[in-house]
Amino acid sequence: ETGVTQSPTHLIKTRGQQVTLRCSSQSGHNTVSWYQQALGQGPQFIFQYYREEENGRGNFPPRFSGLQFPNYSSELNVNALELDDSALYLCASSLGGPDTEAFFGQGTRLTVV
Amino acid sequence: DAKTTQPTSMDCAEGRAANLPCNHSTISGNEYVYWYRQIHSQGPQYIIHGLKNNETNEMASLIITEDRKSSTLILPHATLRDTAVYYCIVRVIDDYKLSFGAGTTVTVRA
Repeated sequence: ETGVTQSPTHLIKTRGQQVTLRCSSQSGHNTVSWYQQALGQGPQFIFQYYREEENGRGNFPPRFSGLQFPNYSSELNVNALELDDSALYLCASSLGGPDTEAFFGQGTRLTVV
Repeated sequence: DAKTTQPTSMDCAEGRAANLPCNHSTISGNEYVYWYRQIHSQGPQYIIHGLKNNETNEMASLIITEDRKSSTLILPHATLRDTAVYYCIVRVIDDYKLSFGAGTTVTVRA
């Protein structure tokens, strides 16, 4: 186990709704990244937070947004859900810095119907 | 980030060494080579990373060629639990983003 926990583990939402996914990072880790993994594909980088500030973003629309809290836990919010948003959403935490590894949680499986 | 090329799939016999190749011919001097694996329906698991020297830890060894254009991940004694998708990733030193490709599906057979 990595110490990174995500909730909920599974979620079903209707198209057009909004969803919030949560991530508790490993103790001491100040950097959190979010990834989307569609079925049969590798994870795709959504964005990253370092000390409560977004400091990197992938090719995702603004309806994907996030927060990082003072305890370094994080939320991913997705508005106006689309069917193609159905995926495994992964959170990864790290110490930051150039020579560090990221530790992933087990993910939240989101199904949009 | 430099692109990586990995075989789509490979089989390995249990107890034998598994050698997973990765090509990254456009790698720059400020890019690390990282390996992660993902067992079905779980989050990716960090295995090992290196810049230019060979590296070894309790899970695996990473051999990087002198020109850094390719690398090999070695699982010394594969077990059935090593069956997973293995991702070779090139990451810029000051960039935390991991760019996953399709990876290599490794099946360890008894």
